[in-house]
Amino acid sequence: DAGVIQSPRHEVTEMGQEVTLRCKPISGHNSLFWYRQTMMRGLELLIYFNNNVPIDDSGMPEDRFSAKMPNASFSTLKIQPSEPRDSAVYFCASSSSLAGVARSYNEQFFGPGTRLTVL
Amino acid sequence: GESVGLHLPTLSVQEGDNSIINCAYSNSASDYFIWYKQESGKGPQFIIDIRSNMDKRQGQRVTVLLNKTVKHLSLQIAATQPGDSAVYFCAERGLGQNFVFGPGTRLSVLP
Repeated sequence: DAGVIQSPRHEVTEMGQEVTLRCKPISGHNSLFWYRQTMMRGLELLIYFNNNVPIDDSGMPEDRFSAKMPNASFSTLKIQPSEPRDSAVYFCASSSSLAGVARSYNEQFFGPGTRLTVL
Repeated sequence: GESVGLHLPTLSVQEGDNSIINCAYSNSASDYFIWYKQESGKGPQFIIDIRSNMDKRQGQRVTVLLNKTVKHLSLQIAATQPGDSAVYFCAERGLGQNFVFGPGTRLSVLP
């Protein structure tokens, strides 16, 4: 298995531009998570999906951020418009969970991350 | 690497010695915990987990200890090797699938 795939690996953009980060979870996993990592705040959960449905988006900083999961094998995180303070490494992770049933104790598999720099 | 925190606690150990990395968690209702290792330029990787109904779990060269009374978690690495150099995070899970990560500790293995 190729693991969680993220693209692009690096993104440099100018303030005000739209940024789209992409993630392909591990096949068969039905939970997907987006995290942001910065020097000052560490690793923060932005949003997670179960069976393509957003479950908790309380970590999304503001309306400029949006995430979608149109199918089980693809998710996007979009920032529009981007700002310099959005510069960070964005990680996608996936796991297998039994949504709607008793919680299962499963590890999250992280992708390599996308380093975003907003100038 | 990308995981460095400005004020990240650092633990330096001699190669071959044992390492103990500590973590204080916040939610007394958390019932599942994971230790992750993050090497420079990579995403976090699972090391070992423990449920709240246990106080100790052992893996290969690693042991996790859980003290629910004081909400403390520790990771012990036996015979630390250069490849163990990384940032280590503890993560606690409360409701749903939402994990809260600690700030991380940088482990530096000295030759």
